Amino acid sequence: AQSVTQPDIHITVSEGASLELRCNYSYGATPYLFWYVQSPGQGLQLLLKYFSGDTLVQGIKGFEAEFKRSQSSFNLRKPSVHWSDAAEYFCAVGASNTGKLIFGQGTTLQVKP
Amino acid sequence: DVKVTQSSRYLVKRTGEKVFLECVQDMDHENMFWYRQDPGLGLRLIYFSYDVKMKEKGDIPEGYSVSREKKERFSLILESASTNQTSMYLCASSPNHKMSGNYGYTFGSGTRLTVV
Repeated sequence: AQSVTQPDIHITVSEGASLELRCNYSYGATPYLFWYVQSPGQGLQLLLKYFSGDTLVQGIKGFEAEFKRSQSSFNLRKPSVHWSDAAEYFCAVGASNTGKLIFGQGTTLQVKP
Repeated sequence: DVKVTQSSRYLVKRTGEKVFLECVQDMDHENMFWYRQDPGLGLRLIYFSYDVKMKEKGDIPEGYSVSREKKERFSLILESASTNQTSMYLCASSPNHKMSGNYGYTFGSGTRLTVV
């Protein structure tokens, strides 16, 4: 069965430090992968997505993610975190024949001044 | 840009009331979804719809029903609200029945429902 695991429930980083949020997926075929961000009290906003091609994808707000098929991972990175990046981040995998996305449990990012 | 609009940001209802949560999208998307979000439980799919008058149960449909009379509108109905339905409710849409996995979803801003 398809699944997405975000191993870290909560991460705290200092402002200006680098960030990596982990995501592992289970899916038989080539996956369609997404990262969403949710600011407090808001809906989810798409940060970036991977369909095929270059395994390093760039997104909005300075984020990037790397698809590693051998590790079944799609980790999200940012070189220098800003206080406004504090939010909850969701990884998701799409199954093209079902019309649905499977979401991870989310990782809450706290940014220390 | 696609917009998904949820009619209420905050809602307070009494136990036993019938509650309607409305969601409208403006880009002719085929698919619409209702999720609830609770701390520690992530996003859980309640119902989804691939077309007008079509609906399918998600992972937690108990206590809920839905209505899709027009393509742009997807309503979530709590027939008799209970305190355990206090939650954040998120609506989402995507372009094409079987291609949603390719395009991802566009989400509304959410409705924070409190049942007292």
